[in-house]
Amino acid sequence: DVKVTQSSRYLVKRTGEKVFLECVQDMDHENMFWYRQDPGLGLRLIYFSYDVKMKEKGDIPEGYSVSREKKERFSLILESASTNQTSMYLCASRGQLGVSTDTQYFGPGTRLTVL
Amino acid sequence: AQKVTQAQTEISVVEKEDVTLDCVYETRDTTYYLFWYKQPPSGELVFLIRRNSFDEQNEISGRYSWNFQKSTSSFNFTITASQVVDSAVYFCALSAYQTGANNLFFGTGTRLTVIP
Repeated sequence: DVKVTQSSRYLVKRTGEKVFLECVQDMDHENMFWYRQDPGLGLRLIYFSYDVKMKEKGDIPEGYSVSREKKERFSLILESASTNQTSMYLCASRGQLGVSTDTQYFGPGTRLTVL
Repeated sequence: AQKVTQAQTEISVVEKEDVTLDCVYETRDTTYYLFWYKQPPSGELVFLIRRNSFDEQNEISGRYSWNFQKSTSSFNFTITASQVVDSAVYFCALSAYQTGANNLFFGTGTRLTVIP
């Protein structure tokens, strides 16, 4: 069974704090993704990683960084949280392209509130 | 450019009614995948189906069916005999290999409410 877990379901932080969102997958997938979801905007890609220590910017990387030290773990970092980063954050993982594992599977999401 | 449009923002139906969720996509790529995901109130995005651009066969899975028509760039989703548990936000998504398959382009979602 596919399993993507995220460290917290709900998180409340203050403006200026450094925030870490953790994502772990147990499917040995090469690719991992971070999205944010906002009402009326759908899901937008922040960053993705196609291998350990490799990353690429998505559509809205400003204000975020990522870390992938191990294949199964992909972290999203808010260096200095701001109120406009209040959102639902979703992590996903995917196997290699071109085979049946190229579907993205999502974690349960972390609802982050920045006060 | 890739784009997915779900024109229906919200739909309400009475239990046991059939309902169709519309999805229209745009891409210039010849090889692409289309997806449907369900997001129940718990928040997790649940994968429902993947379709590649070379397979226009319709698919049925229990009460769910999907109609893929390349001629109209549509990939519509029908729930037959809806149930309260079908209440969720449904997203259609597209990934196109030539222009960056790592990008999964989502529509803005359709919120389905099934009234008992």
